[in-house]
Amino acid sequence: SQTIHQWPATLVQPVGSPLSLECTVEGTSNPNLYWYRQAAGRGLQLLFYSVGIGQISSEVPQNLSASRPQDRQFILSSKKLLLSDSGFYLCAWSPTGPIYNEQFFGPGTRLTVL
Amino acid sequence: AQKVTQAQTEISVVEKEDVTLDCVYETRDTTYYLFWYKQPPSGELVFLIRRNSFDEQNEISGRYSWNFQKSTSSFNFTITASQVVESAVYLCALSDYGNKLVFGAGTILRVKS
Repeated sequence: SQTIHQWPATLVQPVGSPLSLECTVEGTSNPNLYWYRQAAGRGLQLLFYSVGIGQISSEVPQNLSASRPQDRQFILSSKKLLLSDSGFYLCAWSPTGPIYNEQFFGPGTRLTVL
Repeated sequence: AQKVTQAQTEISVVEKEDVTLDCVYETRDTTYYLFWYKQPPSGELVFLIRRNSFDEQNEISGRYSWNFQKSTSSFNFTITASQVVESAVYLCALSDYGNKLVFGAGTILRVKS
């Protein structure tokens, strides 16, 4: 069966510090991968998605970036965090092939920028 | 552009009551998919259901049922005989282009004993 991992689970970082969140998927090949952010009291916002290694699409211009160095690894990064980057970050995957497949989410990382 | 509206910010019910969560969507496409996810306090989203735009049959799974009506662009979710453990945020989502899901703001469901 497929599983998705995210770490760390929680993170407290000062403004201006770098960020690296990691997501890995097991039990599937060539998945579509996604990064979402959920700010307090708001819905999920798609940040990035990837249909293959090295292929990243950005949905919202901001100081975050994403990379996919391996088939089942998706990394969210920032060189300098802002207060507005605080939120709950969720990684998700969907099977390759037909679009409109349901997405399966990881446990999330709760980021607080102080 | 696609949009999902969950007008009910928060609903409180007493255990064993029935509750309906509303979801209204907007899209220009004729082919689209609708989803419901549950987000318990732990934060992880749990997939509940996916329906495509060509299938308007209502779906029932145990105490859960979904009413899809294209005429009113709605995809409502009903829990029959609600339980305390079902307290969570429920999110409705729409996908009509590529792999992107657009989520509603969510409805907080509080089931009290």
